[in-house]
Amino acid sequence: EVQLVESGGGLVQPGGSLRLSCAASGFSFSSYWMHWVRQVPGKGLEWVSRINSDGSSPTYAESVKGRFTVSRDNAKDTLYLQMNSLGADDTGVYYCTKEGWKYQYFEIWGRGTLVTVSS
Amino acid sequence: DIVMTQSPDSLAVSLGERATINCKSSQNIVYSPNNKNYLAWYQQKPRQPPKLLIYWASTRESGVPDRFSGSGSGRDFTLTISGLQAEDVAVYYCQQYYSTPVTFGQGTRLEIK
Repeated sequence: EVQLVESGGGLVQPGGSLRLSCAASGFSFSSYWMHWVRQVPGKGLEWVSRINSDGSSPTYAESVKGRFTVSRDNAKDTLYLQMNSLGADDTGVYYCTKEGWKYQYFEIWGRGTLVTVSS
Repeated sequence: DIVMTQSPDSLAVSLGERATINCKSSQNIVYSPNNKNYLAWYQQKPRQPPKLLIYWASTRESGVPDRFSGSGSGRDFTLTISGLQAEDVAVYYCQQYYSTPVTFGQGTRLEIK
């Protein structure tokens, strides 16, 4: 079964940092580009970041550029999102997603991990 | 960035009837060399992640019931649910993947009348 399981969310103070992980299984992780998408509870979806299959080319939304870093460990089938200088606007559920073969629609979504930025 | 605008924001339809959700992009999202529309539709039920329903504007994902269909081209797209069932209550999102950043519509909430 193809599965993505996020972890690492929680409550963090403004200005703080958090590292999210996403464990993949059931598919050839190293072959696919992977993405992070977030959702403010009760609101819409916002793309955050993507990384190519070998991890050499990350891309970010303008809203997180310079603060977030996406990476992957293909030996561990795991995707990461390092989030620094967090603000209230970063609060939301963060989903790990697997894109379709070579195209950026999202075939598989994890259940998400909640990040709350609050003092 | 390409802006995706859905209409209506919410919709109430009787069981067994047809539901129609529209999505309009701020620019053309058909790629001429392959004549494909870079448009996907997702369904999100309460307390669940989104689920891919349709990609390339009209290709149904494996396992998605055939009462879900997508149409449109260029800038205007439609998701149609024929013969609404109670399990179809959800929020539906369109997404363009023609250019980065990929962007989503604001969502359409579908309820039973």
